[in-house]
Amino acid sequence: SQQGEEDPQALSIQEGENATMNCSYKTSINNLQWYRQNSGRGLVHLILIRSNEREKHSGRLRVTLDTSKKSSSLLITASRAADTASYFCATDGYDYKLSFGAGTTVTVRA
Amino acid sequence: EAEVAQSPRYKITEKSQAVAFWCDPISGHATLYWYRQILGQGPELLVQFQDESVVDDSQLPKDRFSAERLKGVDSTLKIQPAELGDSAMYLCASSSQDDTIHGYTFGSGTRLTVV
Repeated sequence: SQQGEEDPQALSIQEGENATMNCSYKTSINNLQWYRQNSGRGLVHLILIRSNEREKHSGRLRVTLDTSKKSSSLLITASRAADTASYFCATDGYDYKLSFGAGTTVTVRA
Repeated sequence: EAEVAQSPRYKITEKSQAVAFWCDPISGHATLYWYRQILGQGPELLVQFQDESVVDDSQLPKDRFSAERLKGVDSTLKIQPAELGDSAMYLCASSSQDDTIHGYTFGSGTRLTVV
């Protein structure tokens, strides 16, 4: 069973705009990670945020974590066509097993 | 940059036939995972190895699926007999002790179509 749920399921934006997607999960976590998957390819690790962190940045990515609401958000600023992909949140509990959500499909229009 | 190698990239097989996938993790990564990803869904863990030992195979359909990692390096996932519902992307990933910080490294996957 999948722990996380992403919202929205799909997102279409213009190049240069920001893209925000959310992830909610059900049980306590150790870490939360975000991955990107280009069509038909494997997943690429983007960023990891620990349960005791509230915000993390990496380049054009900003991730927030609210453990009281069991939710996280991923913001991609100044989007580019190359950001077109599916984005997945993944949580791990104290057994370090990753559980993925169903993903948000982002389309960046030129 | 080190990669997780998977082969074949694509596989079409008839139902009731046997099929096998191969994965070579990043050198030195003790933990290896096989995930199945149905189109439009997130990956689901099938089996986790620590070196050559199975740590978790609770989601592996053991009546038809088997996985091995004999020397604690590369791994093979087998399906016999394949069913139509097995059509999916099969992803292999590996991690080291540090990757609770850095995340898993995934291969490009094997796209299986059962006809």
